[in-house]
Amino acid sequence: SQQGEEDPQALSIQEGENATMNCSYKTSINNLQWYRQNSGRGLVHLILIRSNEREKHSGRLRVTLDTSKKSSSLLITASRAADTASYFCATYDDMRFGAGTRLTVKP
Amino acid sequence: DGGITQSPKYLFRKEGQNVTLSCEQNLNHDAMYWYRQDPGQGLRLIYYSQIVNDFQKGDIAEGYSVSREKKESFPLTVTSAQKNPTAFYLCASTRSDTGELFFGEGSRLTVL
Repeated sequence: SQQGEEDPQALSIQEGENATMNCSYKTSINNLQWYRQNSGRGLVHLILIRSNEREKHSGRLRVTLDTSKKSSSLLITASRAADTASYFCATYDDMRFGAGTRLTVKP
Repeated sequence: DGGITQSPKYLFRKEGQNVTLSCEQNLNHDAMYWYRQDPGQGLRLIYYSQIVNDFQKGDIAEGYSVSREKKESFPLTVTSAQKNPTAFYLCASTRSDTGELFFGEGSRLTVL
């Protein structure tokens, strides 16, 4: 089984623009988490949103959760070249990942 | 500093050889996981263990084996039965209250 599926597969933007990526899942969840992976490295936890939360902020990150649509979105505001990475979502209930969104921020 | 340590970082092996990847954590986490990542792809779950002396197959367990004799350690053996073992392998452990995954830096295995 696989809960989290991210889209788009790839996203290319200019520095300073906002980046939005989405995650869809299949069954009810306890919480949903977003991770970042720089090329050739391990994943790093970014933010967690619980099933009873609708929106959460952390610095330039904003995560929303719509349990009725079984979807979440991650918004990175005022993007920087250093945000270039792959982004993944996963649910507490499953610990499986989709193919991720590969974000490229051009300076 | 607490964390997950994977070794070796790079490993080369000849076809037909078994190889063991090490994963150690000092976070006192009960659950540990092994994932495989192919170039440009997502992570696929190989095995996971929620408690010492117990482990379960993930989605792609064929050709792999694990053990969990100690809470801190969850080694993965890539056997000669694994048809295409060249990949990037990631180990992780979770906080039991949130499920937040903590990852190691990975081991890159190349079969020559």
